[in-house]
Amino acid sequence: GQNIDQPTEMTATEGAIVQINCTYQTSGFNGLFWYQQHAGEAPTFLSYNVLDGLEEKGRFSSFLSRSKGYSYLLLKELQMKDSASYLCAVREGTGGFKTIFGAGTRLFVKA
Amino acid sequence: ETGVTQTPRHLVMGMTNKKSLKCEQHLGHNAMYWYKQSAKKPLELMFVYNFKEQTENNSVPSRFSPECPNSSHLFLHLHTLQPEDSALYLCASSQLAGANYNEQFFGPGTRLTVL
Repeated sequence: GQNIDQPTEMTATEGAIVQINCTYQTSGFNGLFWYQQHAGEAPTFLSYNVLDGLEEKGRFSSFLSRSKGYSYLLLKELQMKDSASYLCAVREGTGGFKTIFGAGTRLFVKA
Repeated sequence: ETGVTQTPRHLVMGMTNKKSLKCEQHLGHNAMYWYKQSAKKPLELMFVYNFKEQTENNSVPSRFSPECPNSSHLFLHLHTLQPEDSALYLCASSQLAGANYNEQFFGPGTRLTVL
């Protein structure tokens, strides 16, 4: 079966760097996504990794190691508006139709 | 504006009621999804439609009945629900369900309360 683990909550300081980890076990792998979800709002896409390595997009970077079933999302120069839940999601390889989401990591950014 | 709209935004219904949730996407996508989001639980995939054909039913109880008349519209028909079905129901769309780069665009959700 599928299993996605990420920390429940994290707290960081404005201007700092924070790394949110995600480990997964899946019967097939066809890509890993990170989404951001502010309270009361819909999730929005942040990043996509299908090959090993680091993908950088502005202040956000995402890393993937398929052999270790591991990813992280790195947020630099934290801003108060980055306070949100960050969802790790894995797309299954079989047909690629199913995307399984983790429970999300709630990030609190403090001044 | 994400290009995916959902109505109603809030719904309160009794266990014997029948209601429907509507989702519409204006992005020209071919795949649409229903998810359930309960407090402190992961987003749960319910159904996937690709080119109007249902490709996934994630063991969803029959009291939830999806309908996809075309690639732009998706409905979730509800009947004889249980209080534990109270949750945020999110609709999403993507270019193609099986494509490599396949970010999903989510609607704002319908907050459902079953009394």
